[in-house]
Amino acid sequence: GAGVSQSPRYKVTKRGQDVALRCDPISGHVSLYWYRQALGQGPEFLTYFNYEAQQDKSGLPNDRFSAERPEGSISTLTIQRTEQRDSAMYRCASSFSAGGPYNEQFFGPGTRLTVL
Amino acid sequence: KQEVTQIPAALSVPEGENLVLNCSFTDSAIYNLQWFRQDPGKGLTSLLLIQSSQREQTSGRLNASLDKSSGRSTLYIAASQPGDSATYLCAVRPLGNAGNMLTFGGGTRLMVKP
Repeated sequence: GAGVSQSPRYKVTKRGQDVALRCDPISGHVSLYWYRQALGQGPEFLTYFNYEAQQDKSGLPNDRFSAERPEGSISTLTIQRTEQRDSAMYRCASSFSAGGPYNEQFFGPGTRLTVL
Repeated sequence: KQEVTQIPAALSVPEGENLVLNCSFTDSAIYNLQWFRQDPGKGLTSLLLIQSSQREQTSGRLNASLDKSSGRSTLYIAASQPGDSATYLCAVRPLGNAGNMLTFGGGTRLMVKP
């Protein structure tokens, strides 16, 4: 596709349920990033992949959060046993190359998660 | 740990004014700095990317400067228009093995009144 797409765009769930958020990066982009953005704040890094390998997951807040990118393209961020504090905008970004100074990230529209 | 701060948090100006948004960061070891625009319901749109070796970048009515040694960047918007109303975010990318993740500021919410 022309840009990064995310689905669903909005997700409302009850506390304790599991949710899976999907990111489809720009075709051919090597790197994929997940960020979380609370209302009124800037995005915060969660994790990122180069191809199918998860390179850094230091931003994942706890072990209820996990991410995968099994074929080096589409990625899924899974939150188990959701809590109200997980409510936020979850943003995905991709970049053409894995490194170098000219690496620019392109962001998707985000998934707004609300946990009741 | 890198920290990015944006001042002011919100700004309201009449149409036609020139304005400056400020961004400061605590660690000067960066690859580059990006300015993004965020509109409700949409993704982040990259406006300008400045490499650490550069001093400024220009795109249309936008001009971004970078003073890496002092940990500061400014985004200058000339002749503001109501369509410029949005949240503006700056983000830095660290050097070395810290990875490619971006560290964002909290944003400046801009309202341009007709």
